[in-house]
Amino acid sequence: EVQLVESGGGLVQPGRSLKLSCLASGFTFSNYGMNWIRQAPGKGLEWVASISSSSSYIYYADTVKGRFTISRDNAKNTLYLQMTSLRSEDTALYYCARHLYRGNVMDAWGQGASVTVSS
Amino acid sequence: DIQMTQSPSSLSASLGDRVTITCRASQDIGNYLTWFQQKPGKSPRRMIYGATNLEDGVPSRFSGSRSGSDYSLTISSLESEDVADYHCLQSIQYPYTFGAGTKLELK
Repeated sequence: EVQLVESGGGLVQPGRSLKLSCLASGFTFSNYGMNWIRQAPGKGLEWVASISSSSSYIYYADTVKGRFTISRDNAKNTLYLQMTSLRSEDTALYYCARHLYRGNVMDAWGQGASVTVSS
Repeated sequence: DIQMTQSPSSLSASLGDRVTITCRASQDIGNYLTWFQQKPGKSPRRMIYGATNLEDGVPSRFSGSRSGSDYSLTISSLESEDVADYHCLQSIQYPYTFGAGTKLELK
């Protein structure tokens, strides 16, 4: 069974940092690109970042570029999102999701990790 | 960036109704269009990919279609379990962009 389990969320003050993890199981993690997607309370989905299977290609939304870093460790079957200089508008549920190629994206999602940025 | 204009933002329908939700792309996205269903408190679930391909396990009352730059998700006969938010996504180029979502409720 394909599973994606996010962790590392929590309450953090503006300007501080937080690192999310997404542990994958039930499939060959190193064959898949991965994404982070977030959803602010009561709002729609927002794509945040993507990383290719071998980390050769990385993309970010303009809203997080320069502040967030996506990375992965294929030996540990884990995806990461390092978030720095956090703002109140980064408050959201953060999901990880896999994709095989651009025509076959986000077929499996985690349960989400909640991030609240507040003083 | 490619804008995905999703309509309607909310929809109230009766059991057995035919329901259609549409996303219009601001640029050519080919068939790189995915539909997700999200029930309250749950993660999104992929329903349709490649504009018209039904995900395994998704009921056949769901279908996807394309007419030019308009992409539609249709439920042929609404059931109570279909009450959810629906989102479209373009994945032809980065940044990937979602539609604003449609809240589907029972009348």
